[in-house]
Amino acid sequence: QKEVEQNSGPLSVPEGAIASLNCTYSDRGSQSFFWYRQYSGKSPELIMFIYSNGDKEDGRFTAQLNKASQYVSLLIRDSQPSDSATYLCAASIIQGAQKLVFGQGTRLTINP
Amino acid sequence: DGGITQSPKYLFRKEGQNVTLSCEQNLNHDAMYWYRQDPGQGLRLIYYSQIVNDFQKGDIAEGYSVSREKKESFPLTVTSAQKNPTAFYLCASRPGRVTDTQYFGPGTRLTVL
Repeated sequence: QKEVEQNSGPLSVPEGAIASLNCTYSDRGSQSFFWYRQYSGKSPELIMFIYSNGDKEDGRFTAQLNKASQYVSLLIRDSQPSDSATYLCAASIIQGAQKLVFGQGTRLTINP
Repeated sequence: DGGITQSPKYLFRKEGQNVTLSCEQNLNHDAMYWYRQDPGQGLRLIYYSQIVNDFQKGDIAEGYSVSREKKESFPLTVTSAQKNPTAFYLCASRPGRVTDTQYFGPGTRLTVL
């Protein structure tokens, strides 16, 4: 069973601090990794994707990938109350077609 | 406006009824997907389709059926065989390359009365 694991939280971070979200995956064949943000009652929206080892930065967000450790993380700098949401990590598996395997999500709360 | 639309937003079903959830996209995306999300959980794949007139079962296809007669449309039927259908249903689509990102519609919340 291909799995993606996340700490379900809740993770509480003060406003302006760095929020660190972590994800591990079991299938070494996973090629790309995605972070989605999901507000309560809404559908997931893409934050970032990463497929190479190392860091990828986009504004206040940095995704980190370590394929040797099968570990993906998302850092949110200067956290804002609007960042409060559930963050879903997904691993892409290509078996003829692309399929995403999702973790259960980490609920993040930014405290003013 | 380009995007993915799902209807209805809320749907109530009596036990024993079949219901069909609509998913339409005007992004010219090749692949489409259906997921189910239960409270506090991630998304689980029900069915997916890479091209018109072709679709494959995902991890939890039992009690569901789909069709892909048009590139733009991928409706999902929740049959009476699905024993626990109350959930949030999400449709997604993806451009042609398998490395591309999946984008989600707004979702349909199905409740069995």
